[in-house]
Amino acid sequence: QSALTQAASVSGSPGQSITISCTGTSSDVGGYNYVSWYQQHPGKAPKLMIYDVSKRPSGVSNRFSGSKSGNTASLTISGLQADDEADYYCSSYASSSTRVFGGGTKLTVL
Amino acid sequence: QVQLQESGPGLVKPSETLSLTCTVSGGSISNYYWSWIRQPPGKGLEWIGYIYYSGSTNYNPSLKSRVTISLDTSKNQFSLKLSSVTAADTAVYYCARDGGAAANLWGQGTLVTVSS
Repeated sequence: QSALTQAASVSGSPGQSITISCTGTSSDVGGYNYVSWYQQHPGKAPKLMIYDVSKRPSGVSNRFSGSKSGNTASLTISGLQADDEADYYCSSYASSSTRVFGGGTKLTVL
Repeated sequence: QVQLQESGPGLVKPSETLSLTCTVSGGSISNYYWSWIRQPPGKGLEWIGYIYYSGSTNYNPSLKSRVTISLDTSKNQFSLKLSSVTAADTAVYYCARDGGAAANLWGQGTLVTVSS
């Protein structure tokens, strides 16, 4: 069970849109519609932002959206705000009912 | 509202067993999956495993030989035991509630350091 692949860092200016990608295999991302995304501010617990590829939990801004194509899932944040600066992790349901996380992407708002 | 709180020793000696408990308050432990996830300092998240309220478990294959997750419904708690720890097991350990295949509620996390 290998970790999902994410870029180490991404950046954008306030108001812009950015996309974070998460690449797995047919045994995880590509095989199931159970990709989730988490936001983590320094020293804080992760917060669920997207589940089941594209669903938003109650209270999460509609500036956050998720999608998937083949073995790659994506998180898009539109209208970047200063508070969006954080680490973002993807996760997927995987074979044998396990879970796997990505290595994380640090988002910098310029 | 439902809250999760991890508790346990913050320091464990190498080769010993790490033991943590997660207390669920404000709601029942029934009808959910309950997970343990860890994060080494400065690194990413790693899924350790989960237990269903019925008692069935599933573990990360890379940790399976050393991990046990159990449930105490009478106390609304679930627990993690990780045996034969080394410095590589030093991490912040989070307990979480799974809603489907996503962790939708997290504890604040507790740092466990493995050192003699």
